Amino acid sequence: DAKTTQPTSMDCAEGRAANLPCNHSTISGNEYVYWYRQIHSQGPQYIIHGLKNNETNEMASLIITEDRKSSTLILPHATLRDTAVYYCIVRRTGNQFYFGTGTSLTVIP
Amino acid sequence: EAGVAQSPRYKIIEKRQSVAFWCNPISGHATLYWYQQILGQGPKLLIQFQNNGVVDDSQLPKDRFSAERLKGVDSTLKIQPAKLEDSAVYLCASSLVGPGQARNTIYFGEGSWLTVV
Repeated sequence: DAKTTQPTSMDCAEGRAANLPCNHSTISGNEYVYWYRQIHSQGPQYIIHGLKNNETNEMASLIITEDRKSSTLILPHATLRDTAVYYCIVRRTGNQFYFGTGTSLTVIP
Repeated sequence: EAGVAQSPRYKIIEKRQSVAFWCNPISGHATLYWYQQILGQGPKLLIQFQNNGVVDDSQLPKDRFSAERLKGVDSTLKIQPAKLEDSAVYLCASSLVGPGQARNTIYFGEGSWLTVV
């Protein structure tokens, strides 16, 4: 089962891009990478997901390396409201989502 | 579209008492999940239902935890008897499609906060 490794915490200046890395070196060919975030006292919120191609939506961009062993979530212009814990998850083929401890991102004014 | 509904939002019980949490998934969502989130940790999957059948309950402490989804819609998670270490947020989530589907997203409720004293 693919597991993910993320830095425990990161800081980012408001208005700058936040780049959150994730390692998933044991990922299988048909397993998707998902990103969620959790703001204190709320349930996790979906951000983006991808298989092998880079993805972009209104919230963020997801860059997946060619070997698929790592990915980076990019918040292009971080705001104070982006302060949260960000989880990188590899979705298992049985549709299970196993969370790690995530990265606590603090956006600094 | 209504999101995942959970109740109660907060509950305080004494150890050895029982508690039940209710979840109503997004309409039409076949898959339902229960997660336990202890303070400072990521959510831990307890059980996954596909319609009213269990897909994965490998991390559910079956000596004290039980869950059901009788009609393939609402679900109840029960803890009996509760221990101090059960203090956590219990998150319910749902998804439209099930295992084997290529693309899928799960949506979470706000959670039920349990304090065992």
